[in-house]
Amino acid sequence: QVQLVESGGGVVQPGGSLRLSCAASGFTFSSYSMHWVRQAPGKGLEWVAFIRSDASNEYYSDSVKGRFTISRDNSKNTLYLQMNRLGDEDTAVYYCAKVVRYSYDAFDVWGQGTTVTVS
Amino acid sequence: EILMTQSPDTLSVSPGERATLSCRASQSITSNLAWYQQKPGQPPRLLIYAASTRAAGVPARFSGSGSGTEFTLTISSLQSEDFAVYYCQQYHNWWTFGQGTRVQI
Repeated sequence: QVQLVESGGGVVQPGGSLRLSCAASGFTFSSYSMHWVRQAPGKGLEWVAFIRSDASNEYYSDSVKGRFTISRDNSKNTLYLQMNRLGDEDTAVYYCAKVVRYSYDAFDVWGQGTTVTVS
Repeated sequence: EILMTQSPDTLSVSPGERATLSCRASQSITSNLAWYQQKPGQPPRLLIYAASTRAAGVPARFSGSGSGTEFTLTISSLQSEDFAVYYCQQYHNWWTFGQGTRVQI
């Protein structure tokens, strides 16, 4: 079945770095744009980053631009999020998500999330 | 940035009743709107996209309507499993979510 599994979360000190991974299965990963979305404790959803299917374009929210980098390895069916200069405001559950079809589209498959705690 | 505003923040409904959730965009997003359901400890689940298209496996009691700046999610007869938080999301220009509406008993 179509599945996304995040990993790499943990506790990190302010100013530190972390790299999240999202392993995809059950669909042709290289054909779909992907996103990272986060949710701070008790808060709503916040879009973080986007990458096109062929990695030709990346977009970031203002809150992470210059600190986070989204990337993908289509040969490994894996999406990444490199997070640098982490601050308290980055504490959240991080989800990877797949688009329905187009780059500008809804997100139809979500991972279970990985928790990042900056403390 | 397109801002998405949901109302109400909390909706108290009895099982079997109809629930109507609203979402307003700060500028026109045509029909580039999705609705998600999220239960505690779970990731969001796509319910509706393109403003009114039900995602695979979503029961027919969920329906979406609207275009431009005003959108509605209607749950025709609330079941116990429908009590959750609902988010709207625009994908017309980048991607932004509303703050959520909690549907409670």
